[in-house]
Amino acid sequence: DTAVSQTPKYLVTQMGNDKSIKCEQNLGHDTMYWYKQDSKKFLKIMFSYNNKELIINETVPNRFSPKSPDKAHLNLHINSLELGDSAVYFCASSFRRGLGTDTQYFGPGTRLTVL
Amino acid sequence: DQQVKQNSPSLSVQEGRISILNCDYTNSMFDYFLWYKKYPAEGPTFLISISSIKDKNEDGRFTVFLNKSAKHLSLHIVPSQPGDSAVYFCAASDLKGSGNTGKLIFGQGTTLQVKP
Repeated sequence: DTAVSQTPKYLVTQMGNDKSIKCEQNLGHDTMYWYKQDSKKFLKIMFSYNNKELIINETVPNRFSPKSPDKAHLNLHINSLELGDSAVYFCASSFRRGLGTDTQYFGPGTRLTVL
Repeated sequence: DQQVKQNSPSLSVQEGRISILNCDYTNSMFDYFLWYKKYPAEGPTFLISISSIKDKNEDGRFTVFLNKSAKHLSLHIVPSQPGDSAVYFCAASDLKGSGNTGKLIFGQGTTLQVKP
């Protein structure tokens, strides 16, 4: 009965590989987000989808591509992984677009380590 | 050019005392502010928020104060309890400028330890 879930929880991989992180929410929310927590601990928004429409696309390398098959899922694909991609990635969801004050509910995070 | 900063990486207080966590921001267009709490191996959870039209918002033991002229907000926890030990993130949003997309700018967090 987890609200926002992410898989895997830990991901260790070699440079140059392609990997995906999956996110699912069972809250019935319309909007989902991906955040990256870097080595300095700042949480930075990467992408956001509302009902499968991309609404936030921050300046991230195009090796990162979000994919939303339906409004309950937002997956993050990363191609040609680099050392600097090592971080904790958080997925989040909120009820609806158009009300920027809606609470965002976060998943537990995926710790990605690139060797 | 981090727009939201929490300059104290950690804070330690005694149970029953007041905890004060601080946050500074640089973007004068921010009009909505939030605090999130994070336990180890979990995602951040929403704690309390404040709109820029207010200077104080209270919810039980938690009170957030906003000083717009100083571009500063603080979270007060009274009385502090051991279960409050966590990382606290400050976040801000420019609601109009972001098109109400929910785009949040987070600080780097302050680790609070409440000693029994």
